[in-house]
Amino acid sequence: SYVLTQPPSVSVAPGKTARITCGGNNIGTKSVHWYQLRPGQAPVLVIYYDSDRPSGIPERFSGSSSGNTATLTISRVEAGDEADYYCQVWDSRSDHWVFGGGTKVTVL
Amino acid sequence: EVQLVESGGALVHPGGSLRLSCAASGFTFSNYGMNWVRQAPGKGLEWVSYISSSSSAIYYADFVKGRFSISRDDAKNSLFLLLNSLRDEDTALYYCARDGLPYCSGDCYSSDWGQGTLVTVSS
Repeated sequence: SYVLTQPPSVSVAPGKTARITCGGNNIGTKSVHWYQLRPGQAPVLVIYYDSDRPSGIPERFSGSSSGNTATLTISRVEAGDEADYYCQVWDSRSDHWVFGGGTKVTVL
Repeated sequence: EVQLVESGGALVHPGGSLRLSCAASGFTFSNYGMNWVRQAPGKGLEWVSYISSSSSAIYYADFVKGRFSISRDDAKNSLFLLLNSLRDEDTALYYCARDGLPYCSGDCYSSDWGQGTLVTVSS
């Protein structure tokens, strides 16, 4: 089955840039979506189709994908960005959604 | 405004059954595929099942192994998940989520999520 690998945690100072990676075999050939999950809240879509941003999501959130790695970038990090972030793809071989293990972003 | 409200979660003994529901409003429910996704305590998001618009495509995660059944009632704008033969490891918050585009068949993202309903499996 297809596997997505994320770092368990990323720490970043306010105002700096956080980069969260999502590794998968030839992930650059798949559509990658990213979700933000804060404790006690419903997941929020922050990036879809690798780099598109839903309405209401700040421009500080951006995404890219190539080769074996997709990346969610959060620029000018704010305290409110502290959350868990998950990447997700569709595995057409198994007809399964696949989530990465999640990355906890801590704002120092 | 899109709204998804899950219900049906409860404390159940191992081997028991539950039926989860998701009431949808604010969009044309019949045009959208829907997912169930869960999060066990202290764990990450885990996809459970998908049903397309018109129920033409239904998919399950491998761990389901015939125990769960997804369905929808477009006349009632409702999504369901029947959970059978429940195990301790099925304890989780279960979310319903809507496809971001109409008429997707799995290869999509979820643009809207409910708040979840808690299933606890324990003796």
